[in-house]
Amino acid sequence: GAVVSQHPSWVICKSGTSVKIECRSLDFQATTMFWYRQFPKQSLMLMATSNEGSKATYEQGVEKDKFLINHASLTLSTLTVTSAHPEDSSFYICSASGTGIGEQYFGPGTRLTVT
Amino acid sequence: QQQVKQSPQSLIVQKGGISIINCAYENTAFDYFPWYQQFPGKGPALLIAIRPDVSEKKEGRFTISFNKSAKQFSLHIMDSQPGDSATYFCAASMGAQKLVFGQGTRLTINP
Repeated sequence: GAVVSQHPSWVICKSGTSVKIECRSLDFQATTMFWYRQFPKQSLMLMATSNEGSKATYEQGVEKDKFLINHASLTLSTLTVTSAHPEDSSFYICSASGTGIGEQYFGPGTRLTVT
Repeated sequence: QQQVKQSPQSLIVQKGGISIINCAYENTAFDYFPWYQQFPGKGPALLIAIRPDVSEKKEGRFTISFNKSAKQFSLHIMDSQPGDSATYFCAASMGAQKLVFGQGTRLTINP
């Protein structure tokens, strides 16, 4: 149980284009979903928290107009990187939380490369 | 106050040995302490978690020891195997709020 999927697993895009990453909870309803960014050999950096049907809450320093988050249902959240630039290249990971307090289950991650 | 400090940064253990990773926190309002295991190119996987009402939790070869008065918790991996080689993250949270992660420990088990 508690399986979270992400799509795509890796994506290459050109500078200036937008990329959408999907995060799905497959066997539970996720009341809250989180989006993280991880640089090589570093810890996870929380970008934003989203609750179903509500606007996402972004962490300090994260541009909300650049990283658009939509949590349209209890099983799906999307992250859109708009006007991507090479510095946006990173490993993006989502997690989902159901009714268990504090428990987060992570997706497999999406490797984004912007050329 | 929101930080979780993890040590060591890297650890090498012989096969069959005990791997020990430590974490310390400041915020006494934290009430959930999970450990995650991450392999290269993969997302973190929840390994084991503990709440402050118990001092120890064991699942197979993995044990969390929790010291509330010292505000420290640790992960012990018994009979460490090469397949345990990964990066381990401790974390803490209050209720359903966001997780605060440690810096990570890169564990290598030598065969």
